[in-house]
Amino acid sequence: LAKTTQPISMDSYEGQEVNITCSHNNIATNDYITWYQQFPSQGPRFIIQGYKTKVTNEVASLFIPADRKSSTLSLPRVSLSDTAVYYCLVGGWNSGNTPLVFGKGTRLSVIA
Amino acid sequence: DSGVTQTPKHLITATGQRVTLRCSPRSGDLSVYWYQQSLDQGLQFLIQYYNGEERAKGNILERFSAQQFPDLHSELNLSSLELGDSALYFCASSVGSSGGSETQYFGPGTRLLVL
Repeated sequence: LAKTTQPISMDSYEGQEVNITCSHNNIATNDYITWYQQFPSQGPRFIIQGYKTKVTNEVASLFIPADRKSSTLSLPRVSLSDTAVYYCLVGGWNSGNTPLVFGKGTRLSVIA
Repeated sequence: DSGVTQTPKHLITATGQRVTLRCSPRSGDLSVYWYQQSLDQGLQFLIQYYNGEERAKGNILERFSAQQFPDLHSELNLSSLELGDSALYFCASSVGSSGGSETQYFGPGTRLLVL
């Protein structure tokens, strides 16, 4: 079972870098790690996905250590509009793990 | 706008009733996923269809059922509704069948209130 564990909440000031870590000790060989962002009363939105090492796109970076048992979403210079819930998802249909276990996410509050 | 549409946006009904939620995936996407999100809860995966066939099941109750039609839209049927079924129901779609290793695009959700 590809269960994920994230902090329930985090606070940050505007302009700071925020790092949210997700633990996934039972990650399988074929599993990918995907992060989604959700604003209140909206559907989640894809942020970034990776398999190993580091991935960067225009909004975030994803760091995955060699053992892949955790991952860290890094949001550079957050703004008030980054206040949202962030979900870590680990899975893939070919892995044999129960798919699509999102968990309860991390509620990020950005303060001015 | 993700390109995934869901109707209705809001639904209010009584216990014991039956409702149908509808989802149209993004153009070209073959998979449709259904999720339930209760107040202050994370996303609970219910079921996935890929190109008309059931692909995977999650925590879907026996009172709930779904199907995907030839035009790839999907419907989630909820019957014998209980107060605890009140939640946001999201539909998502993706190109292929690997929901964990590809991007899912979520719709705006249907808010169901059972009184």
